[in-house]
Amino acid sequence: DAGVTQSPTHLIKTRGQHVTLRCSPISGHKSVSWYQQVLGQGPQFIFQYYEKEERGRGNFPDRFSARQFPNYSSELNVNALLLGDSALYLCASSLDPWRAFFGQGTRLTVV
Amino acid sequence: AQSVTQLDSQVPVFEEAPVELRCNYSSSVSVYLFWYVQYPNQGLQLLLKYLSGSTLVKGINGFEAEFNKSQTSFHLRKPSVHISDTAEYFCAVKSRGSTLGRLYFGRGTQLTVWP
Repeated sequence: DAGVTQSPTHLIKTRGQHVTLRCSPISGHKSVSWYQQVLGQGPQFIFQYYEKEERGRGNFPDRFSARQFPNYSSELNVNALLLGDSALYLCASSLDPWRAFFGQGTRLTVV
Repeated sequence: AQSVTQLDSQVPVFEEAPVELRCNYSSSVSVYLFWYVQYPNQGLQLLLKYLSGSTLVKGINGFEAEFNKSQTSFHLRKPSVHISDTAEYFCAVKSRGSTLGRLYFGRGTQLTVWP
C-alpha cells in the first residue's frame, strides 16, 4: 500500500508569494494533519482535518489555511510568504488517534 | 496544553555501545507517549508508543522505552547501537482525552553513532 505522499518535495519561493502544498493520505485514512518543522526544532502542529472539517488549529497566523477534499487529500496554503516560513512541512494521516503516519515532507525555501 | 523536553540536543556514541535518549513531559491531563525517528531528508517514522499497561515498551530496530509517571519521563534506550541508528529522534505526547490527533513534539535529539 502507498504511504502518505506529499508534493512537491522541494520548492523555492520569493517573499510575498503564495504557495500550495499537497498531501494524499493512506487509503482509508480520513484524518490529515499538517506540521511545520523549522531547522533544528521539532514539528509544530498547524492544522488537523477530519471528514473535510477543520478539527484543530495551532498557533499560526491567518496567512496559513488548509482544506480537505472529498477523497480526503488535503492542501496547505500559505500567503504572503516570509523568510521565516522556510521549513519542512509534514503531512500525517491517521485512522485512529494514537497512530499517525507521516509523509516525506515538502521542503519550502523562501528567498 | 502539553510540553516535551528532550534533555540532550546531541548524543554521540560509539558503535555497539548502549544509548539512552532522555525525554520529560509536562501535562495537566493523561497522555499517550511516542518516540519518532527521522532520517536525513525524510519524514517521521514511529519507533514505539505507550498507550497503557506495561510501562516498558518495545519498538522497532531494538529500541525500548520506559514510562515513569512519577518522574513524567519516557526515556528511549538501546543496548547496542549500529551506524544505521544515526538519525534525529523526537519524543512526542498526545492528550488521551482528545479525539484530536495533535502531537506535541520535543526539539529532538541527534544521535550520531561512530565506528
